[in-house]
Amino acid sequence: ETGVTQSPTHLIKTRGQQVTLRCSSQSGHNTVSWYQQALGQGPQFIFQYYREEENGRGNFPPRFSGLQFPNYSSELNVNALELDDSALYLCASTPGRQGGSPLHFGNGTRLTVT
Amino acid sequence: QKEVEQDPGPLSVPEGAIVSLNCTYSNSAFQYFMWYRQYSRKGPELLMYTYSSGNKEDGRFTAQVDKSSKYISLFIRDSQPSDSATYLCAMSVGQAGTALIFGKGTTLSVSS
Repeated sequence: ETGVTQSPTHLIKTRGQQVTLRCSSQSGHNTVSWYQQALGQGPQFIFQYYREEENGRGNFPPRFSGLQFPNYSSELNVNALELDDSALYLCASTPGRQGGSPLHFGNGTRLTVT
Repeated sequence: QKEVEQDPGPLSVPEGAIVSLNCTYSNSAFQYFMWYRQYSRKGPELLMYTYSSGNKEDGRFTAQVDKSSKYISLFIRDSQPSDSATYLCAMSVGQAGTALIFGKGTTLSVSS
């Protein structure tokens, strides 16, 4: 049991639409990271939030945005969906800001863009 | 050259075999090394976590890190059908806000 829950588990959207994915972190974990995992690939870092502010970002365009809330929940928003956005989106939380901490992932949201 | 290279397999072994999984990397600043196991339709599950060079053992699993060769390994002894999954190596430089860099994953199948 990782303590990280994500919703929904599956989602189908049309190209050009917008989507919001949700994550509930473990209590006390004030750092949350989002990753994108395309089929047959390892997860790729999208961004990280610490105490409700973006703390680091990978090579993803601005149409990928996020929010973190005081109750340890967070959101990943993707605007103007493209076919290549089809992937498993993973959320992970850690108790501190220190780098190098092992990440514990939720089971992800599988997004299909048609 | 990708930062982390991992042979995707697939790798098929009989039950009871010793399995060796490997990754190479190019960034000498990596200090933290992890192995994750991912079952189909699930998120990655942390198996092993190592700082810097050396060996770490946990039950049937042994992780090795050779920073001089930029090479990490995961050994699975007495493999079981329940070990059938994709194994991902991951590493980090350890700075706040920086990414965990993953390999592509190796798909392992253990037959009974």
